[in-house]
Amino acid sequence: KQEVTQIPAALSVPEGENLVLNCSFTDSAIYNLQWFRQDPGKGLTSLLLIQSSQREQTSGRLNASLDKSSGRSTLYIAASQPGDSATYLCAVKGTSGTYKYIFGTGTRLKVLA
Amino acid sequence: ETGVTQTPRHLVMGMTNKKSLKCEQHLGHNAMYWYKQSAKKPLELMFVYNFKEQTENNSVPSRFSPECPNSSHLFLHLHTLQPEDSALYLCASSPWPGFDTGELFFGEGSRLTVL
Repeated sequence: KQEVTQIPAALSVPEGENLVLNCSFTDSAIYNLQWFRQDPGKGLTSLLLIQSSQREQTSGRLNASLDKSSGRSTLYIAASQPGDSATYLCAVKGTSGTYKYIFGTGTRLKVLA
Repeated sequence: ETGVTQTPRHLVMGMTNKKSLKCEQHLGHNAMYWYKQSAKKPLELMFVYNFKEQTENNSVPSRFSPECPNSSHLFLHLHTLQPEDSALYLCASSPWPGFDTGELFFGEGSRLTVL
C-alpha cells in the first residue's frame, strides 16, 4: 500500500532564502508525481507534474526532482517571497491502472518579510 | 468560465437536512473526483468517475451519494450527516492517465459544517 510522507510538517524562513521541501513514497512503481500549493480555505493549485520517466521539472523559481529508486521527490523554491506562504502537498499516482492519487499531509510554509 | 467550479463554497446544515454539492469542469477531462479534506489528515479520496462510470468508491458511508450525469458535471448528495463529516470537500478532474499526463486539477472546494 502506497504511503506518502512530507517532512517537515511546518517551516518558517526569512524572505530570500532558497529552500527544499521533501516528499517520500514507499512504492516506487508510480505513474507520476504532482506538487500542489494550497492557500488557507482554498483548493489545490497544481505547481509541477513529473512523469515517472522524468528526473525533474522547472517552472519559474520552482524546481521539482524525482528519484523513483529511492522513493523521493524534492521541491526547490529559489529566493522565497512572503507570497510563497502556503501549504505544499505532493501526490503520487500508481501504475496499476487506477485513478487513485495518494497525498501526503503537506508542508506548511511561512516566509517572513 | 474555465477550470473546475464548485458550488456552494460554504454550506451549513443540520444532521437531518438533505443538500447537494455541485462540481463542473470546463477542461474537457473525462475523469472527475471527490476528495475530503479534514484538519491534520491527508486528502481522502471518496469517489472517482471515468466517462460517467464510477470506478472508485473508497468505502464511503451511504449518507454520501455521488452522481455523475455527464463528463462535465459531478454532484455529491448529502443526507443525515454527522458532525464529523464537517470538512472541506474538493472536486477534481483529470484526463485519462493512459492517454495524457493525468494531471489533476482542483476546484476551490465546498466548506461543509454539520451542526
